[in-house]
Amino acid sequence: GAGVSQSPSNKVTEKGKDVELRCDPISGHTALYWYRQSLGQGLEFLIYFQGNSAPDKSGLPSDRFSAERTGGSVSTLTIQRTQQEDSAVYLCASSPDRGDQPQHFGDGTRLSIL
Amino acid sequence: AQSVTQLGSHVSVSEGALVLLRCNYSSSVPPYLFWYVQYPNQGLQLLLKYTSAATLVKGINGFEAEFKKSETSFHLTKPSAHMSDAAEYFCAVSDRIGNTGKLIFGQGTTLQVKP
Repeated sequence: GAGVSQSPSNKVTEKGKDVELRCDPISGHTALYWYRQSLGQGLEFLIYFQGNSAPDKSGLPSDRFSAERTGGSVSTLTIQRTQQEDSAVYLCASSPDRGDQPQHFGDGTRLSIL
Repeated sequence: AQSVTQLGSHVSVSEGALVLLRCNYSSSVPPYLFWYVQYPNQGLQLLLKYTSAATLVKGINGFEAEFKKSETSFHLTKPSAHMSDAAEYFCAVSDRIGNTGKLIFGQGTTLQVKP
């Protein structure tokens, strides 16, 4: 079946611009996660959605970062006024539930800020 | 707070040799434990997980890992390395009590397999 889909696969933008990254989770998965992978910081948790509950935003690095999940399915991660340190690979994952359920990852969006 | 330490950012083995990738965790309560593999320009793929059953866990592609509570370790092994095993490997934990599934990752270990 279809896996987690992320778009775009690559994004190059100028410093100061806003960007939107999209994630289509596996159908039926109630939990959705965003992670950031960068050379200096490794893999970091950003935000977590579970069903209709309020998202856990504890990993967002600044107020320039936000995310939403519409209809319990597709999610969009938005970065406003991008900075060079935002350059990274942004990974989305989904799972049937939380806790001990393994997460299924998309191939990521590689974001480059010029 | 939970944390994960992977000893050795790079490991090099010969084809056919034993693979051993080390992972130690820090947590007041034994967490859920996972090993993921990442090939270039791809996302992470689950190799195996430990939740609460047998301490020796078998995964895909011939990998296995043993949970040792006394050593707070979850090392990944494979008896005989293949060229196709060359990739980056991540150990991760998630909080059993909070049960959100948020993963905390180690820094990763790049496995090189020499012919």
